[in-house]
Amino acid sequence: NAGVMQNPRHLVRRRGQEARLRCSPMKGHSHVYWYRQLPEEGLKFMVYLQKENIIDESGMPKERFSAEFPKEGPSILRIQQVVRGDSAAYFCASSPPVRSFYEQYFGPGTRLTVT
Amino acid sequence: AQRVTQPEKLLSVFKGAPVELKCNYSYSGSPELFWYVQYSRQRLQLLLRHISRESIKGFTADLNKGETSFHLKKPFAQEEDSAMYYCALSSDTGRRALTFGSGTRLQVQP
Repeated sequence: NAGVMQNPRHLVRRRGQEARLRCSPMKGHSHVYWYRQLPEEGLKFMVYLQKENIIDESGMPKERFSAEFPKEGPSILRIQQVVRGDSAAYFCASSPPVRSFYEQYFGPGTRLTVT
Repeated sequence: AQRVTQPEKLLSVFKGAPVELKCNYSYSGSPELFWYVQYSRQRLQLLLRHISRESIKGFTADLNKGETSFHLKKPFAQEEDSAMYYCALSSDTGRRALTFGSGTRLQVQP
């Protein structure tokens, strides 16, 4: 099992461009979480998804950010019209479908730099 | 609102010395508390959780509800313990999101 995969590992975008971050959960995991880490801060929850459903998006900024987890393929975190303040490390985690909610397995993260 | 505080950004100790990484939380219900660790160039991984009351790699953590603390302890630090440590909380509402502290970097010197 390769673990949670994220790509790209590093992404550079100019202000105003779009950023698409991908996350492939561990095999057998149907729950995906996205977290953002700003410099010198801890990880902050953004969104929790199951296949084809957004379960909890209470941590998502109201504008420019969206997430999906389609029936087939990876989960995508999309940031439109990026600004310098979006520069951060974005981590994806996955967990199995049983009620072991503490078993979140993390990916290596995508470091987004907005120039 | 729930909150996790790790007051130390950096903790530096010598090999063989005791280690205590502090974690305080604020939450009105009965939270689940965890410690995650990130070694250099590796991904974040779960170290231990309070409900299992286990010792992993010599580390233990006891939930103190009166002091709302979940400090991580090890009696004798090893150089391979050097890493970034994050305390995290999950609420008892069934909401799966984790609330993380800002992390403490542990440096164990030879």
